Amino acid sequence: GEDVEQSLFLSVREGDSSVINCTYTDSSSTYLYWYKQEPGAGLQLLTYIFSNMDMKQDQRLTVLLNKKDKHLSLRIADTQTGDSAIYFCAERRSSASKIIFGSGTRLSIRP
Amino acid sequence: NAGVTQTPKFQVLKTGQSMTLQCAQDMNHEYMSWYRQDPGMGLRLIHYSVGAGITDQGEVPNGYNVSRSTTEDFPLRLLSAAPSQTSVYFCASSPAHGTSGYNEQFFGPGTRLTVL
Repeated sequence: GEDVEQSLFLSVREGDSSVINCTYTDSSSTYLYWYKQEPGAGLQLLTYIFSNMDMKQDQRLTVLLNKKDKHLSLRIADTQTGDSAIYFCAERRSSASKIIFGSGTRLSIRP
Repeated sequence: NAGVTQTPKFQVLKTGQSMTLQCAQDMNHEYMSWYRQDPGMGLRLIHYSVGAGITDQGEVPNGYNVSRSTTEDFPLRLLSAAPSQTSVYFCASSPAHGTSGYNEQFFGPGTRLTVL
């Protein structure tokens, strides 16, 4: 199947870490992505990870991949109000030209 | 570079009307795609193209046609609009597999379509 699943909502306190989770079903997925969508805007690529990696860190962002469980997570350290957005997990299979997206997780920040 | 541009930004149609959503990119990308975004359903792929003259269906192609006569343009046609097609439509492009930047898909700003 082509399902990519995420929870719809996450609320965190400003300054805490946010962890957004994603599961996918296709074991042939080779690239996994995190996109950010701010209100009224298109999607912006935050980071991606190749399937032979377990972890990737980029400033405040940490991506963890558990290929055995087909589980991907995005950790945002020191969450700020500007991180409020919808975060989409997505997968791409080897040489495939299409990317399959999850339903998105809406991250809200409380003071 | 303008990136990926979409027109119009907003459109209201009556049931049964037809229209074309325009998408253009100036990055010489081979791959282009159309998605629709509905609340709680993420982005669903409508049609995609791997190069000029080549198109293929995505997850939800019914009611939509596409063509790719040039590398730059990838219009999406609604043949007979229905209220179920009320959505936000995003066009995206990326370089071909195996080329530099393959892993970044660039999105347009979206077209918000309402069908009455």
